[in-house]
Amino acid sequence: DAGVIQSPRHEVTEMGQEVTLRCKPISGHDYLFWYRQTMMRGLELLIYFNNNVPIDDSGMPEDRFSAKMPNASFSTLKIQPSEPRDSAVYFCASGGLQYEQYFGPGTRLTVT
Amino acid sequence: GENVEQHPSTLSVQEGDSAVIKCTYSDSASNYFPWYKQELGKRPQLIIDIRSNVGEKKDQRIAVTLNKTAKHFSLHITETQPEDSAVYFCAATYSGGYQKVTFGTGTKLQVIP
Repeated sequence: DAGVIQSPRHEVTEMGQEVTLRCKPISGHDYLFWYRQTMMRGLELLIYFNNNVPIDDSGMPEDRFSAKMPNASFSTLKIQPSEPRDSAVYFCASGGLQYEQYFGPGTRLTVT
Repeated sequence: GENVEQHPSTLSVQEGDSAVIKCTYSDSASNYFPWYKQELGKRPQLIIDIRSNVGEKKDQRIAVTLNKTAKHFSLHITETQPEDSAVYFCAATYSGGYQKVTFGTGTKLQVIP
């Protein structure tokens, strides 16, 4: 198993541009989580899905952020329009029914 | 919602000594407590976890203890090695129907050779 796959690994974009982050969870996992990590705010849960359905999006900072999971093997996190304060490392994690979570390598986003 | 506090924020130990990191949580419904290790520039990796029906769990040099009454749990690393240097995160998960995980703020552990 390749583990959780995220793309791109690095993204540099200008303020105002749309950014799309992608995640492929571990096959067979029912849960998918999106996190944001910064020095100031630590590791924040943005949203999570169970069986492709969004369960809790209370961590999504504002309407500029949206996430989808069209099928069990793919999810996206979109920021439109992006702002410099969105610069962070974004992790996707997947988990099974035993509650353990496995993180992807992360996407380092820089918005200039 | 759940609130997880983690102490200390930084910890320096001599190689070979033990390290202890403590976390408290607020929601008595939380029943799964994982610990993650994150090396610089890498992803958090699950190193050990404990569920509410046990009080202690060991895996080689790493152990975790849970006190449900006091709502705190701890990570113990014995015979520390330089490769143990990393940031360690605790977390508390409420698994009632759907997962809801809250992370602590992290402890930066430095093992001095």
